[in-house]
Formats: sequence, structure tokens, C-alpha cells
Amino acid sequence: SYELTQPPSVSVSPGQTATISCSGDKLGDKYVSWYQQEPGQSPKLVMYDDNKRPSGIPERFSGSNSASTATLTISGTQAMDEADYYCQAWDGTTGVFGTGTKVTVL
Amino acid sequence: QVPLKESGPVLVKPTQTLTLTCTVSGFSLTNPRVGVSWIRQPPGKALEWLAHIFSNDEKSSSTSLKSSVFISKDTSKSQVVLTMTNVDPVDTATYYCVRIVRGAALGLYYFDSWGQGILVTVSS
Repeated sequence: SYELTQPPSVSVSPGQTATISCSGDKLGDKYVSWYQQEPGQSPKLVMYDDNKRPSGIPERFSGSNSASTATLTISGTQAMDEADYYCQAWDGTTGVFGTGTKVTVL
Repeated sequence: QVPLKESGPVLVKPTQTLTLTCTVSGFSLTNPRVGVSWIRQPPGKALEWLAHIFSNDEKSSSTSLKSSVFISKDTSKSQVVLTMTNVDPVDTATYYCVRIVRGAALGLYYFDSWGQGILVTVSS
């Protein structure tokens, strides 16, 4: 079955850039979306179609996808960005989520 | 955010059948560009996609759970039902009802609105 691998954790200082990777076989050939989940909350869409931000998502969030790695970048990270982040892609008609990354803003 | 509300039992015994209902508002299950998915999350673990269904009754379910997961809809009631047979304690999780959007490009789908989730515990 198709798998998406993320680093378990990423630490970043306020104002710095956080980079979250998502790796999968030929992932660049697929459309990737990203979800933010704050503690005790439902996930929220923060990126779709590799690099498109839904309405209301700050410009500091950006995305890219090439070869076997998709990346979610948070520029000028704020304390409110501390959360779990999940990438997601499709293997045919089967949805696959990444293993998740906890972003800590120190 | 478009409201989606999950309902169903919070406690189920092993080997029983779990039936969860998602009631949607703010959009129609007849809209060809959107559908409803079920996604679950065991406590402290990652998200897991289970199934989805669209207006034309196009549906798909997890290959690892295909023999035990079923999805259906009642358009007149704006409801989507997830059924899982022969549940096990490993099925203990928060189950989310989620709106899925079909993009213009082939293979482009994403989840744009999530319900609050319902925690289901499988235990004797």
C-alpha cells in the first residue's frame, strides 16, 4: 500500500521558518493537501493542489511538491502555528495520510 | 466551514456492527463537485481515510478495510452513513465526517470542511 512519511517533530523559534516534509513514491505526480490540527480540535485544510491556500489561511503558509517530496513551509512562524500537520495524497481512489508532524514553536 | 455533524453510539462491543451517521447542512449531496468522506483518528495517532461517496453514488473505501467498511447516502435526508462490521478494540477512534471537494483536474480531491468528530470506543 502507498505510504507517506513525515518527520515526527519540527522545532522552530518564533519568527523563523518551519519546513515540514512529506515523502512518498513519485509523490510529485500526485496532488498533495495539508491539514493543521490543533490540540483537541478537528483538522483544518491549510493547503491543497500542492500550493494553493484556502481562503483565510495566512500567506506565511506555502507549499511545493516535486519528485518524491512535498513540503509545507511556514515563514515567520507564530505561536499560534504550533500544531500537528498532516500531508495527504491519493493512490488511485484511495486516500492516504502522512504520519504527521508536531510543530513546536519554542 | 460548512456544518457536518456526526452521530452514533459512543460504545460498541467487539464483533458488533458500528453505524455512524453524518448529517450535512449548507450544501447538497446532489452537488457533483462535493461529496462526503469518513476519516478516523485513534487516540494519539495519525489520521486514516476510510471511505467517500459522491452525488452520482461513486464511492471508494479503504483497501485495508474494504471487506468491513460500507458507505451509503440518503440524499433526501442530507445524510451519509458509515457501517463497519465486526469491530475490534483497534477501531477505537474519533470518527470525522468530512466534506470532500472534487477539483477541476483529474485526481484532484481535498477535504475542506470537517465535523467535530465522535469518539467511538470498542470494548466489552
